[in-house]
Amino acid sequence: GENVGLHLPTLSVQEGDNSIINCAYSNSASDYFIWYKQESGKGPQFIIDIRSNMDKRQGQRVTVLLNKTVKHLSLQIAATQPGDSAVYFCAEQRLGSNYKLTFGKGTLLTVNP
Amino acid sequence: EADIYQTPRYLVIGTGKKITLECSQTMGHDKMYWYQQDPGMELHLIHYSYGVNSTEKGDLSSESTVSRIRTEHFPLTLESARPSHTSQYLCASSALGGHGGELFFGEGSRLTVL
Repeated sequence: GENVGLHLPTLSVQEGDNSIINCAYSNSASDYFIWYKQESGKGPQFIIDIRSNMDKRQGQRVTVLLNKTVKHLSLQIAATQPGDSAVYFCAEQRLGSNYKLTFGKGTLLTVNP
Repeated sequence: EADIYQTPRYLVIGTGKKITLECSQTMGHDKMYWYQQDPGMELHLIHYSYGVNSTEKGDLSSESTVSRIRTEHFPLTLESARPSHTSQYLCASSALGGHGGELFFGEGSRLTVL
């Protein structure tokens, strides 16, 4: 079936390094994507979003890249900090889905001091 | 910070009990959602609502029910809890219009059924 999934379930990086978290989607009708961060014991928090008419979008220390050809999404975090340790989910929305978001499995990012 | 609140945060109950998980938001959002999330796993949509008196089943079948009598309130009820209902339940809301856009999540209600 159609789904949003992640390439790696865990990622461990050193403080100060850049992190890249990947996400694959299979539905070409997906036209809106969001990255969420979920810290332990909390609800997901919005990080950044991108629409399908864009390839790249930048925020504060974060960049999302969208490759529609291979249906791939990535989240880049610059100068990763211990506070970035969390589970990161990508979510996609499809045209005609009545605004519902479908979430991927999540990647656990651990930042080592 | 999002103004969406869930109670209780943690609930441990016995099999067969009826429970209601409360969710309230003060942002005036028309759309509200309930997601179910097992530890370390993805979120699965179980219910959503586009406004007062509107409720729909989500992608994951659930024995729970919801109601939307007021814009700000979207409670979830389990008539007879079972151990298989043990999970975290996350409520979210978003503004109507265009894409669904950013969902604002509550802190979640972690339910354990013994």
